[in-house]
Amino acid sequence: GAGVSQSPRYKVTKRGQDVALRCDPISGHVSLYWYRQALGQGPEFLTYFNYEAQQDKSGLPNDRFSAERPEGSISTLTIQRTEQRDSAMYRCASSSLGRGNSGANVLTFGAGSRLTVL
Amino acid sequence: AQSVSQHNHHVILSEAASLELGCNYSYGGTVNLFWYVQYPGQHLQLLLKYFSGDPLVKGIKGFEAEFIKSKFSFNLRKPSVQWSDTAEYFCAFWPRYGNNRLAFGKGNQVVVIP
Repeated sequence: GAGVSQSPRYKVTKRGQDVALRCDPISGHVSLYWYRQALGQGPEFLTYFNYEAQQDKSGLPNDRFSAERPEGSISTLTIQRTEQRDSAMYRCASSSLGRGNSGANVLTFGAGSRLTVL
Repeated sequence: AQSVSQHNHHVILSEAASLELGCNYSYGGTVNLFWYVQYPGQHLQLLLKYFSGDPLVKGIKGFEAEFIKSKFSFNLRKPSVQWSDTAEYFCAFWPRYGNNRLAFGKGNQVVVIP
């Protein structure tokens, strides 16, 4: 697509429910990143993929969080047994260059998915 | 660990005033530097970037930033702001030969009063 598309834009859920957030990157982009942004803070790295391979998941806060990109395009971030502290804006970004090319790499962000856990 | 410091989280100024937002990063090696902007109701957009060469970088909408390696800084400037510059501004960097993990500062909320 023309830009990075995220869905849903807004998600309200009850504590304990699972949520899945979807990201459709720019067509042909190799790398895909997930970030989380709490109110009043900057985006924090969660994980990233090169094609379908998850290269770094060190930013995932705990094992309730997981992400996949099975065909190297669309990615899903899943949060199991949500807690109120999971409430945040979840941002996806993609780039045309892969790992090892950070010398010229620029991330393009989507509009984000705002998650509210009641 | 990579980190970015942005000061003066909330900035309020009048149209035509000059704007300068400070950014300091913490990393010992070569870095690529960025400023992103988020206008109200919109997504994060790239404002400008520095990879190498001239340390004074010009971006969109009259913004510029200067990389001062000795100070680990990448301050953003605009000589005369407009109401439409009301937005949140984020400084970010990642190691040029490293972990592909873009680190952001907490951001500056800038409000320009007409």
